[in-house]
Amino acid sequence: QQKVQQSPESLSVPEGGMASFNCTSSDRNFQYFWWYRQHSGEGPKALMSIFSDGDKKEGRFTAHLNKASLHVSLHIRDSQPSDSALYFCAASLSNTGNYKYVFGAGTRLKVIA
Amino acid sequence: EAGVTQSPRYAVLQEGQAVSFWCDPISGHDTLYWYQQPRDQGPQLLVYFRDEAVIDNSQLPSDRFSAVRPKGTNSTLKIQSAKQGDTATYLCASSPGTGGREQYFGPGTRLTVL
Repeated sequence: QQKVQQSPESLSVPEGGMASFNCTSSDRNFQYFWWYRQHSGEGPKALMSIFSDGDKKEGRFTAHLNKASLHVSLHIRDSQPSDSALYFCAASLSNTGNYKYVFGAGTRLKVIA
Repeated sequence: EAGVTQSPRYAVLQEGQAVSFWCDPISGHDTLYWYQQPRDQGPQLLVYFRDEAVIDNSQLPSDRFSAVRPKGTNSTLKIQSAKQGDTATYLCASSPGTGGREQYFGPGTRLTVL
């Protein structure tokens, strides 16, 4: 069964600091990667996608993908208390036209004011 | 633009009871997903549709769970005889096609089975 492993399980950073999340997939058929964020009591919301090797920056968020090592990461600079949430990596398979997503277990971020 | 809506928001059942969850996706989104999210875990795909067709239901416990999307718009997920292990949040998401597209999630239905 295809899996997506996330680390760390939880993370605390001071306000204004850098938060970093890691994700490793188990299957080279994973082609599309997304980062989602979920605040308590809400559904997950997409932060950003990354489909090609290298870095992708959107505002305070930077994602990095290395397909050779099956590793994707997310970095949040200048973290704010409103960034406190559960962060998920999601990977989409592309074989045989079945584009289902596999989510990791998540990393809980707490930004301390 | 209205988001994905789900109802009910909460449900509390005794073991053996049945429950249905309803989802209204974003207008024009042809792909609809149902996920189960146990507390403090990631969403786990149960089933997904493209229009009215089931594309993948390999993780749906078929003996007690069923899902339909008869006109390719709204969808219903039903648990026939709930077990304590079904306690989780049930999330519906929609997307405009597949191939790595963003999924838009509803707020979820939090189910507790006593």
